[in-house]
Formats: sequence, structure tokens, C-alpha cells
Amino acid sequence: KNEVEQSPQNLTAQEGEFITINCSYSVGISALHWLQQHPGGGIVSLFMLSSGKKKHGRLIATINIQEKHSSLHITASHPRDSAVYICAVSSGTASKLTFGTGTRLQVTL
Amino acid sequence: EAQVTQNPRYLITVTGKKLTVTCSQNMNHEYMSWYRQDPGLGLRQIYYSMNVEVTDKGDVPEGYKVSRKEKRNFPLILESPSPNQTSLYFCASSRAGSGNTIYFGEGSWLTVV
Repeated sequence: KNEVEQSPQNLTAQEGEFITINCSYSVGISALHWLQQHPGGGIVSLFMLSSGKKKHGRLIATINIQEKHSSLHITASHPRDSAVYICAVSSGTASKLTFGTGTRLQVTL
Repeated sequence: EAQVTQNPRYLITVTGKKLTVTCSQNMNHEYMSWYRQDPGLGLRQIYYSMNVEVTDKGDVPEGYKVSRKEKRNFPLILESPSPNQTSLYFCASSRAGSGNTIYFGEGSWLTVV
């Protein structure tokens, strides 16, 4: 069993839909990161969470430390949100990261 | 502009021919790491460094070497590349501590034939 599990693996949505991507982890962590990878490969950090909730534009990330679970929400989804979303956890130091296998999101018109 | 720069971005090489993928960051970050990304396996950590002259193995270090002689640079060395090292490689950096944003390079596509 992977230490970091994401669901769903693939997700297709229509423009405007509310989207939720889930991440569960089995180890103690010091922080959880949500990353976005567009076609072509580049990876961008969206959020870093150690507790609670963060919001940036249409993106919201939450984490429940007791349940070892985090969610990434996208409100009013748009085709430009199409990407792979990756959950990663750091335990101990920020240098040691363990990644989920990613959720591929496609938003259609 | 905050940047992590990797070179080369694309490389096709032959088995056994030593190669180095360079990584440089301009943010004075203490932490730097190398990852490989393979279909179905996601990103896996190869090596990481917490500061100059401090490096440690990640999850898949076999066949790779690293060095951290300067704070800004963290090259990845493949002494004798093999086809199973064909992959997409990412370098990343961040400030020390667990609560800091991670900055990734644009990736290096490496094919070993």
C-alpha cells in the first residue's frame, strides 16, 4: 500500500462544475503539498498545508490531521484547470517528500 | 525572478556514457532535491540535500550520484546510464524548514538507448 493515496485517478468535468480531489496518507507528516502539473511537464506548487484550510482564487485546500486526509477543491472549473494534480507529504524535514500518483483532471466546455 | 534551472531539458544518450544533469537555483535555498517521474509510479525522490556538503539518499538512489559543493548548484550524475534510467527528471528547491513552498525546475527528459 502506498503511503500517499489519491482519488480519483482520472476525472472529467464540464466547465463550471465543482471538483474535489482527495488525498489520504498513512504516515505522520509535517506538511502536505498540493502540486499542479500541466501537459509539457512543469510542476507548480499550489498549496502547503500543516493544518486547517487555505484558499487561493478558485482553489481551496483543506487538511484533517486526525483523519490523515486532505482535499483540493476547484470551484467554477475551467478548461485551463486541466492538469495533473499531485499530493505530496513531507515528514521530518521538507527535503524528504513522498508523492501520490496524481489525479488527471480534464475540464471540457 | 525566482528560478530553478535544469540542463539539458532533453537528452538521448547511449548506455554507459556518463552524463550530468545540472540544477541551479537563484533563491539562496538550503534544501534541494532530485526526483524522477515514471508513468504509473509518480514522482520518486532520488537524492536530497539540506545544505552545502550535506546530501542523503531518497527512495531510488541506485545508479545516481550527487554533489553539493555550492549552495546554488545540485548536479545529478549518471556514471553509467542504463535504459531503466529513461525518465523525466525534476530538480526542486525550498527554504529550510517544513512549511515552505517548493520550487521545481522545468524537467529534463532523458532517454537512454
